[in-house]
Amino acid sequence: NAGVTQTPKFQVLKTGQSMTLQCAQDMNHNSMYWYRQDPGMGLRLIYYSASEGTTDKGEVPNGYNVSRLNKREFSLRLESAAPSQTSVYFCASSEGTTAAYEQYFGPGTRLTVT
Amino acid sequence: GNSVTQMEGPVTLSEEAFLTINCTYTATGYPSLFWYVQYPGEGLQLLLKATKADDKGSNKGFEATYRKETTSFHLEKGSVQVSDSAVYFCALRSQGAQKLVFGQGTRLTINP
Repeated sequence: NAGVTQTPKFQVLKTGQSMTLQCAQDMNHNSMYWYRQDPGMGLRLIYYSASEGTTDKGEVPNGYNVSRLNKREFSLRLESAAPSQTSVYFCASSEGTTAAYEQYFGPGTRLTVT
Repeated sequence: GNSVTQMEGPVTLSEEAFLTINCTYTATGYPSLFWYVQYPGEGLQLLLKATKADDKGSNKGFEATYRKETTSFHLEKGSVQVSDSAVYFCALRSQGAQKLVFGQGTRLTINP
């Protein structure tokens, strides 16, 4: 099992450009998540999908959109990138919604917006 | 709202030293508590967890006990190794909540 995979690993964008971050999991998990990690702030939830066909906003959704393409894949789109979106983005998945279920994380995408 | 507070880093220790990284939380009800570790250039990995009061999570020589009375989940290891150098995140997840709430992370460096 590959677990949670993310592409690309690194990306540099100019202000105003758009891009999509891809995430896939092969653990048959129901729930998937997108977080961003900024220095000294831990991880903050952008969007999540509790199950296939549903998506909901997290703490910091502004400037992002998501698509739960199928049970395996959950993409994050930046329509018009801004320097404030420079961050490391992590995708995660979990088996269910109960608090005891752990979340499994991908390796991250390092995004720089100039 | 729910929150997690970790001790400020960075923390630098010598090999074989005793490690404590403090974590306290604020949450309603009975959240599940987690420690995640992030090695350089990698994503987060679950280190250990506890789902109810007085539970002790343990893995790879690390331990943490869920203390409801002090709302704490401190991470400890008796003898650290250079390979333990990483960033450690304390996190909680409330019953019925989708998201993990993370502390700010503590960078640990172990010198030989």
